[in-house]
Amino acid sequence: DAGVIQSPRHEVTEMGQEVTLRCKPISGHDYLFWYRQTMMRGLELLIYFNNNVPIDDSGMPEDRFSAKMPNASFSTLKIQPSEPRDSAVYFCASSFWENQPQHFGDGTRLSIL
Amino acid sequence: AQKVTQAQTEISVVEKEDVTLDCVYETRDTTYYLFWYKQPPSGELVFLIRRNSFDEQNEISGRYSWNFQKSTSSFNFTITASQVVDSAVYFCAGGETSGSRLTFGEGTQLTVNP
Repeated sequence: DAGVIQSPRHEVTEMGQEVTLRCKPISGHDYLFWYRQTMMRGLELLIYFNNNVPIDDSGMPEDRFSAKMPNASFSTLKIQPSEPRDSAVYFCASSFWENQPQHFGDGTRLSIL
Repeated sequence: AQKVTQAQTEISVVEKEDVTLDCVYETRDTTYYLFWYKQPPSGELVFLIRRNSFDEQNEISGRYSWNFQKSTSSFNFTITASQVVDSAVYFCAGGETSGSRLTFGEGTQLTVNP
């Protein structure tokens, strides 16, 4: 079975540009999570969805970040405008139900110059 | 607020040694869930185990074993006869029964030397 699929794997862009990260969760999983990993802050939950509806976005750092889940098989995380401090690895994860194991994608390594 | 403490930042062992990674989860909830994840050098996060707080039975899976003690909120992870391929960062995480938010610890970097 296919796992969580994220694209792109790597993204390098200049400050001020819009960045869009994409995620396809595991089929049948009702929960989708976006995390950010940095050396300074570790793994942080940004936002999560249940049945395509955002449930908790308290981890979204600021208005420059937005996330959508238009259907059960696709989600995006956008940063506009991007800043160098947004450089991190962004992970998407999905789970079948609440409190069940979250299965992670391979991550997107984002570098903002 | 919940807090996950992994007191060991780095551990270095020689192959075939046993190693235990510590985790303490602080929460006001009496019922909660605990997880361990492995992040090898390639960067992906791999799920290892899930345990709920009302099940204090130890669990063994091959060379891996987990010991949960509710009285101390500890959920320790032991690797028996460690191998070089076990080298990774290991994360402990906890979550409450209401909602799906997980709080991750800072991770323990395990290096197994040949």
